[in-house]
Amino acid sequence: DQQVKQNSPSLSVQEGRISILNCDYTNSMFDYFLWYKKYPAEGPTFLISISSIKDKNEDGRFTVFLNKSAKHLSLHIVPSQPGDSAVYFCAAPTGSARQLTFGSGTQLTVLP
Amino acid sequence: DVKVTQSSRYLVKRTGEKVFLECVQDMDHENMFWYRQDPGLGLRLIYFSYDVKMKEKGDIPEGYSVSREKKERFSLILESASTNQTSMYLCASTSDEKLFFGSGTQLSVL
Repeated sequence: DQQVKQNSPSLSVQEGRISILNCDYTNSMFDYFLWYKKYPAEGPTFLISISSIKDKNEDGRFTVFLNKSAKHLSLHIVPSQPGDSAVYFCAAPTGSARQLTFGSGTQLTVLP
Repeated sequence: DVKVTQSSRYLVKRTGEKVFLECVQDMDHENMFWYRQDPGLGLRLIYFSYDVKMKEKGDIPEGYSVSREKKERFSLILESASTNQTSMYLCASTSDEKLFFGSGTQLSVL
């Protein structure tokens, strides 16, 4: 039973436009969320996070929005650049040791 | 910068072989993790460790074991490799909830 879901396996956007990646979760007790970015043949790298006490967190071109009532978060990238082309994973700490549970990922392709 | 080093980038093994994947971190982190990444399935947790000689099963521990004899080193062991263990294996460490990952080991079991 997936606790963190990314329902879009892929997304293509034009360079300069906005990319919106979505993530849904099932457990209303989740209190922290993270986004990771992964290039092929590399390990994922941390991108941005948000605590459940906030509804928005911004870092440069990246903004994460959290809608607790809908159990939904989204990552906005503005403006999108070709170097942003990667797989993006959302994650939440779960379990006794707060180990991260990841979604299935969304492949973002930014077209020049 | 945190450095998590995985000993091999690519490995090719035969069915039934015993396989060791090694991971070393240099930041004195308490917690270490092994994930595997498969297309469409995301990252799934195999095992983790929150202290030397301590280990906990993750979501998919079957067919795997781990060893943590020193704080900086966490090994994943495939006792008898099978073709369905062909995957990208990722080691990570952390002292809080932000994981730092190694570059991964692409394992092919033939």
